Amino acid sequence: GEDVEQSLFLSVREGDSSVINCTYTDSSSTYLYWYKQEPGAGLQLLTYIFSNMDMKQDQRLTVLLNKKDKHLSLRIADTQTGDSAIYFCAHNQAGTALIFGKGTTLSVSS
Amino acid sequence: DTAVSQTPKYLVTQMGNDKSIKCEQNLGHDTMYWYKQDSKKFLKIMFSYNNKELIINETVPNRFSPKSPDKAHLNLHINSLELGDSAVYFCASSIEQGAPYNSPLHFGNGTRLTVT
Repeated sequence: GEDVEQSLFLSVREGDSSVINCTYTDSSSTYLYWYKQEPGAGLQLLTYIFSNMDMKQDQRLTVLLNKKDKHLSLRIADTQTGDSAIYFCAHNQAGTALIFGKGTTLSVSS
Repeated sequence: DTAVSQTPKYLVTQMGNDKSIKCEQNLGHDTMYWYKQDSKKFLKIMFSYNNKELIINETVPNRFSPKSPDKAHLNLHINSLELGDSAVYFCASSIEQGAPYNSPLHFGNGTRLTVT
């Protein structure tokens, strides 16, 4: 199976919360990341969480990590049309390249 | 000022041709990468260079050859192009290998390669 798995699509209405889920297989990952890709652009780091944390909040973003189940989620509160993009979960071990999931396309309708 | 710049932005070519994609970063980063994003948006590491030395070389056909003349540049040359090479190729850089949280990846805007 894939190293990092995500659902491919999510559709929400403006103002609602979005929750994007990710599962991974490598329990030795030090950090887990969420990257965002807007159309025609490269990826940008959105947020990250250290593997010994359960939760991290950054303004409208909340990252939850269940290390036992190897499950990571990104919650976007009060989703805006500008949040429409592809969201990638990623992880790495020390010194190796980032491994990305297949990305979740978030579509926000007004 | 563009931090990671790739040229060309679009590349359309025929099967069997040889082409190059250039990448430059002005961030002073030591590590540069090439990623391939296929039509389903799946992003996969191809190569990683740290200070001009090859660090990661994933299972990529020998037709792909990266070259790093200095730590600010990482070019990708592709020989004998095939239909399956059609994808978006992203160059990226980071301060350190592995792009830890305090040294995230900075991506270029991608080169869309179409092989006909």
